[in-house]
Amino acid sequence: GAGVSQTPSNKVTEKGKYVELRCDPISGHTALYWYRQSLGQGPEFLIYFQGTGAADDSGLPNDRFFAVRPEGSVSTLKIQRTERGDSAVYLCASSSVGGSTGRGTEAFFGQGTRLTVV
Amino acid sequence: GIQVEQSPPDLILQEGANSTLRCNFSDSVNNLQWFHQNPWGQLINLFYIPSGTKQNGRLSATTVATERYSLLYISSSQTTDSGVYFCAVTQRGGGNKLTFGTGTQLKVEL
Repeated sequence: GAGVSQTPSNKVTEKGKYVELRCDPISGHTALYWYRQSLGQGPEFLIYFQGTGAADDSGLPNDRFFAVRPEGSVSTLKIQRTERGDSAVYLCASSSVGGSTGRGTEAFFGQGTRLTVV
Repeated sequence: GIQVEQSPPDLILQEGANSTLRCNFSDSVNNLQWFHQNPWGQLINLFYIPSGTKQNGRLSATTVATERYSLLYISSSQTTDSGVYFCAVTQRGGGNKLTFGTGTQLKVEL
C-alpha cells in the first residue's frame, strides 16, 4: 500500500480481555517495528521484525505481549489479559532495509491504534 | 541504552517567527530522524539525517554526529506547524530500533 496501515484505529476493551492489533506495512518493506506511546511521552520500542522473524523483542514489557509476522508482511500484536496500564497508542512502522548495521533504515509510521482498557 | 534529550520542551511562537529545536544524544548513532506529530497523532517524517544538512521548504536540519547533536530549523512558522517534534536515533551497535527523544511541543499562534 501507499503507507503503513493499522487497524483498528480505536479499540476499547474490558480489563482481562484479549486484543489483536494489526499492521500492514509499506509494500516491499522487510523491516517492521511496533512501538507504544503513552500520553505525553515519546514512542517506546516494543519489537522489531526482519522478514518473518523477531530480530529484537527486548521492548516487550512482559509475556502478555506477543507479536507475529507469519508471511513477512502483515503483523499482529497480541495482548493477553489486558490491564488498564496497557492503555496507550500502539504504533507500527516499516522500513526498506534492515540488518545489524542499521544503515539505510528510514522508518515510516502508521496512524496508530488507540487502545483503551476499561 | 542511548539517551536522547530535546530542547526546549515547550515553545510558543507568533506566526511568521523562526525557531531552532535541538536534539542531544549520548552515544554514537547510525541513523537520526526528525518527526512532526500532528494533533491527530500521526508521525510525519521530516528528515532522515544521520549527518550533514538538509533543507525542505521552510524546514532545514543539521546533524553533527561527532558532537552528538542535531538541530531543526523552522522559518516563517505557520499555525499548521503546531504539534510535537520528535528526534529519534538508532544507536550504533544497537540494531535498528529507534529511541525517541522527549519531544518539543510547539504552538504557533496568529
